[in-house]
Amino acid sequence: DAGVTQSPTHLIKTRGQQVTLRCSPKSGHDTVSWYQQALGQGPQFIFQYYEEEERQRGNFPDRFSGHQFPNYSSELNVNALLLGDSALYLCASSSGRTSGRDNEQFFGPGTRLTVL
Amino acid sequence: ELKVEQNPLFLSMQEGKNYTIYCNYSTTSDRLYWYRQDPGKSLESLFVLLSNGAVKQEGRLMASLDTKARLSTLHITAAVHDLSATYFCAVDASGTYKYIFGTGTRLKVLA
Repeated sequence: DAGVTQSPTHLIKTRGQQVTLRCSPKSGHDTVSWYQQALGQGPQFIFQYYEEEERQRGNFPDRFSGHQFPNYSSELNVNALLLGDSALYLCASSSGRTSGRDNEQFFGPGTRLTVL
Repeated sequence: ELKVEQNPLFLSMQEGKNYTIYCNYSTTSDRLYWYRQDPGKSLESLFVLLSNGAVKQEGRLMASLDTKARLSTLHITAAVHDLSATYFCAVDASGTYKYIFGTGTRLKVLA
């Protein structure tokens, strides 16, 4: 049973560029959440996708956008990259079809983005 | 806005000793999660606590939840070097579908 997968593993970009990160959820999961983790800090919630729509969003600018596909995989897009966008980007999957009592999220290995 | 605070932020302890990490949160929630993160790695789920008074144990780690006090604890018994990592608690604020993470506790167990 494949867990949450993310690609690429590492990425180096320059300021002003655009980047797309990808995530495939754990088998049986239909909800994908994205988090940004700066060095030495806890993960910060970016947004969550369920049924191909953004269901909840954290305090991130519109430069951060996403998409969910019919197979539940997801993309995170960041435009006009800033130095401060350098971080580990984590994708987490969960099941939105349960009563929601558990709502445990399983995390992927992350994508390390460096902006120069 | 929901805030989650952990203390201590850093913890250096000798092997064989006991210690407790605290997680306080600022709003109503009946779901709390503990994760472990090794350097450069992703988050590994440790415990899911879903109700007031919930207690779960796995090996040398035990987690508990007091929703009335808005407090969770992660107790370490007879620490070993392999427990060295950063530990995060996360709260799922009721109805928001998002996790709010604590600041993390960096644990170093000295031989």
